[in-house]
Amino acid sequence: DQQVKQNSPSLSVQEGRISILNCDYTNSMFDYFLWYKKYPAEGPTFLISISSIKDKNEDGRFTVFLNKSAKHLSLHIVPSQPGDSAVYFCAASADNTGTASKLTFGTGTRLQVTL
Amino acid sequence: EPEVTQTPSHQVTQMGQEVILRCVPISNHLYFYWYRQILGQKVEFLVSFYNNEISEKSEIFDDQFSVERPDGSNFTLKIRSTKLEDSAMYFCASRDWTYTGELFFGEGSRLTVL
Repeated sequence: DQQVKQNSPSLSVQEGRISILNCDYTNSMFDYFLWYKKYPAEGPTFLISISSIKDKNEDGRFTVFLNKSAKHLSLHIVPSQPGDSAVYFCAASADNTGTASKLTFGTGTRLQVTL
Repeated sequence: EPEVTQTPSHQVTQMGQEVILRCVPISNHLYFYWYRQILGQKVEFLVSFYNNEISEKSEIFDDQFSVERPDGSNFTLKIRSTKLEDSAMYFCASRDWTYTGELFFGEGSRLTVL
């Protein structure tokens, strides 16, 4: 049961242009959505998150948009830089009182920013 | 900046052997997790741990797996009898009492089962 889906396994963008990574989810109980960046042989690194009560959150070059009615979120990176090349995972969490509220990850999108 | 540390970074073992992966979570954190990533696949939840007991576990986390927080600082994952399909990167994660969804991940332990 894939509750979090990233339908694009890879994306190639030119340096300086916008990168848009997409994510869909099915569980309406999710209340936080996060993007993690991952390099090979390293742990996932938190990038940006958004609460389900918001529709946009911005942090520098990174903006996450949430469309609850469509159960869709996207990560925009503007301008894209070569150092952004990595695998990006969408993740979601549902607050379960009394439990540790795990993260559910998508399958990842490999972003390559070319010169 | 505080970080989650994991040892060993890479372990090679024979099928059927026991393996213990160790993690030192961030010191004031209360919730602890193990995830794994088989090469090229997504990061999968294994188990969460809170208040000295398992909070939730996935179907992957069968009787061959166990977790322990033996001394208040280390958090260990034991695989009793490894199988070839246990080969993966294992990530430990932790968070504090505030709920924002964010987990802090370690660098991972690569397990290779031959």
